Amino acid sequence: GESVGLHLPTLSVQEGDNSIINCAYSNSASDYFIWYKQESGKGPQFIIDIRSNMDKRQGQRVTVLLNKTVKHLSLQIAATQPGDSAVYFCADRGDTDKLIFGTGTRLQVFP
Amino acid sequence: GAGVSQSPSNKVTEKGKDVELRCDPISGHTALYWYRQSLGQGLEFLIYFQGNSAPDKSGLPSDRFSAERTGGSVSTLTIQRTQQEDSAVYLCASSLGGLNTGELFFGEGSRLTVL
Repeated sequence: GESVGLHLPTLSVQEGDNSIINCAYSNSASDYFIWYKQESGKGPQFIIDIRSNMDKRQGQRVTVLLNKTVKHLSLQIAATQPGDSAVYFCADRGDTDKLIFGTGTRLQVFP
Repeated sequence: GAGVSQSPSNKVTEKGKDVELRCDPISGHTALYWYRQSLGQGLEFLIYFQGNSAPDKSGLPSDRFSAERTGGSVSTLTIQRTQQEDSAVYLCASSLGGLNTGELFFGEGSRLTVL
């Protein structure tokens, strides 16, 4: 079956530095990937998505990179701020429309 | 309201009791999802409704769990004979469906505690 996993459960970065959160997926048929941010006590919020026909997509301070060869996805956050502290999930749409979420990476930003 | 609404926000129940969790999706969203999130864990897929199609129930952990969506809008997740391991936050999300399934809009969740 398909699975979406993450390399690091916790990432600590200094304010102002760039953050990179990684994600691996197993289903080669996956065609759509999404990053979500979940703050404490809240539901996840959509950050950015990317389709399998793209390698890179940029948003405001965030960039998602997709490497289909090694089935790897990453989220880069530029100039990380305290408000970026949260748990970040990647999600994958494989053979069906439903989204399968990874375990999540906790991003901690310290001054 | 404009967002996904879930109720109750908190529910404490005794082992063996039945509970119902409600989700009001965003108006016009044809897709509705239920996920379960245990403390410090990721999101576990439970069930997915898309329009009038048969729901994808592949994530329901046991036959004590069921969900329905009446009139293509409000959904209720029912857990019968609750067990302590059912304690978690139950998240509902809706989306436009189809090729636009990526941007799910989540509710705040219903935190269930089974004593």
